[in-house]
Amino acid sequence: SAVISQKPSRDICQRGTSLTIQCQVDSQVTMMFWYRQQPGQSLTLIATANQGSEATYESGFVIDKFPISRPNLTFSTLTVSNMSPEDSSIYLCSVDLQGAGGNEQFFGPGTRLTVL
Amino acid sequence: GESVGLHLPTLSVQEGDNSIINCAYSNSASDYFIWYKQESGKGPQFIIDIRSNMDKRQGQRVTVLLNKTVKHLSLQIAATQPGDSAVYFCAESRCMNSGYSTLTFGKGTMLLVSP
Repeated sequence: SAVISQKPSRDICQRGTSLTIQCQVDSQVTMMFWYRQQPGQSLTLIATANQGSEATYESGFVIDKFPISRPNLTFSTLTVSNMSPEDSSIYLCSVDLQGAGGNEQFFGPGTRLTVL
Repeated sequence: GESVGLHLPTLSVQEGDNSIINCAYSNSASDYFIWYKQESGKGPQFIIDIRSNMDKRQGQRVTVLLNKTVKHLSLQIAATQPGDSAVYFCAESRCMNSGYSTLTFGKGTMLLVSP
């Protein structure tokens, strides 16, 4: 398994500002993932972050809005840029580890973002 | 803490009952499925997984059933306890060219266990 921490755990931000969320893992991992979970909804993949290369974004998400850094094998950041109230969500990072049946993903505790 | 299950279907059971949570998946090419449990204010926690070459897998108090014909997945929890109260998500795995996989999550079901 992996121990994953996120900072901040929650924040309240004004419209038009940006917030950078940090994700720290206690072991070296190749792939890290960022998800968004809107209120009362399921998780939606934003992007996949591979160390040393550009992040791969899912349909509906773009780098200008959600820039991602992956400077080493234990750390990643997601920035939510030029925020609007529609960006109010829980943002979660996860890592991919080889499990018994396949690749298991372990999740951080999430960052709860409220945009006013 | 705030609930993530405000708009989710809810299953209410009594402590000690068996619970069955269902999930329909969309991609017939998916070959790996996982159930996650998410408690309020926390990230999803891995419960059990199953590969497509199996139709049943058992863990401690949990069983996952896979019906590929109708693209249906279920999670059975035996002797449900109040600590099982959470939102449960199924996820199907999609392989990437890199050799790793990404997950597509189902809508989720909130399980409420009464003492």
